[in-house]
Amino acid sequence: ETGVTQSPTHLIKTRGQQVTLRCSSQSGHNTVSWYQQALGQGPQFIFQYYREEENGRGNFPPRFSGLQFPNYSSELNVNALELDDSALYLCASSPTLWANYGYTFGSGTRLTVV
Amino acid sequence: GESVGLHLPTLSVQEGDNSIINCAYSNSASDYFIWYKQESGKGPQFIIDIRSNMDKRQGQRVTVLLNKTVKHLSLQIAATQPGDSAVYFCAETGGNTGKLIFGQGTTLQVKP
Repeated sequence: ETGVTQSPTHLIKTRGQQVTLRCSSQSGHNTVSWYQQALGQGPQFIFQYYREEENGRGNFPPRFSGLQFPNYSSELNVNALELDDSALYLCASSPTLWANYGYTFGSGTRLTVV
Repeated sequence: GESVGLHLPTLSVQEGDNSIINCAYSNSASDYFIWYKQESGKGPQFIIDIRSNMDKRQGQRVTVLLNKTVKHLSLQIAATQPGDSAVYFCAETGGNTGKLIFGQGTTLQVKP
C-alpha cells in the first residue's frame, strides 16, 4: 500500500507566476485535502476535494484552485503568486469525507516565491 | 475565530524523562482531537487521537488526556528518546467535517 505522494518536493517561482502542485492519494482513499503551512506555523486548511468536486474551503482567495481526477489524485493551482505564498503545501488523503478517520499526510511541496 | 493553541513554543527534556505537551482549543463543538508529530522536511505524522466521549487514551509510550470542561488537551510521552525530537501539533475537527484546525506547534528537544 503506497502512501500519499506529492510532487515536486521543492519549487522556486517568481512573484506573479502560476504554479501547479500534484498529489497522489493513498490507495483506497477518495478524498484529498490541501493545507498551507507557513514557516513556524501550523497547517492551514485550503480546501478539500471529494469525487472530483470541491467540498469545503478555508479562508484562501480564488487564485487558489484545485482539481481532483477520476483516480482521486489532485492538483493545487495558485495564480498570481505573492511572496506570502511561500510555504510548505501539504496534501492529505482520507477514505471518507471526514477528518476523523484515516487522514494521512504527504511530505509536502516546499514553494519559495521570490 | 476558531483556533487551537499550544502553551509553549519549545520544550526541552532530558532523554529518559517524561514529556508533557499542552494544547488549548476554543471550539466547544469539536469532537475529535489528534496529535501529530512533524519532523524536519516531512509531513505531519499521526501519533494518537481521542474522541470527545473519552478523557484518556493510551498508545505505545504516549497518552492523550482531554479535559472538555476547560477545553484542554495534553500529550504525554513516556521515557522520551532522541527520536522523539520534532514539532508536535494538536488538531481538532468536529461535526463530521473534512477540515482539521491545527495549533501553532511545540518543538520538543531531547537532550542526551
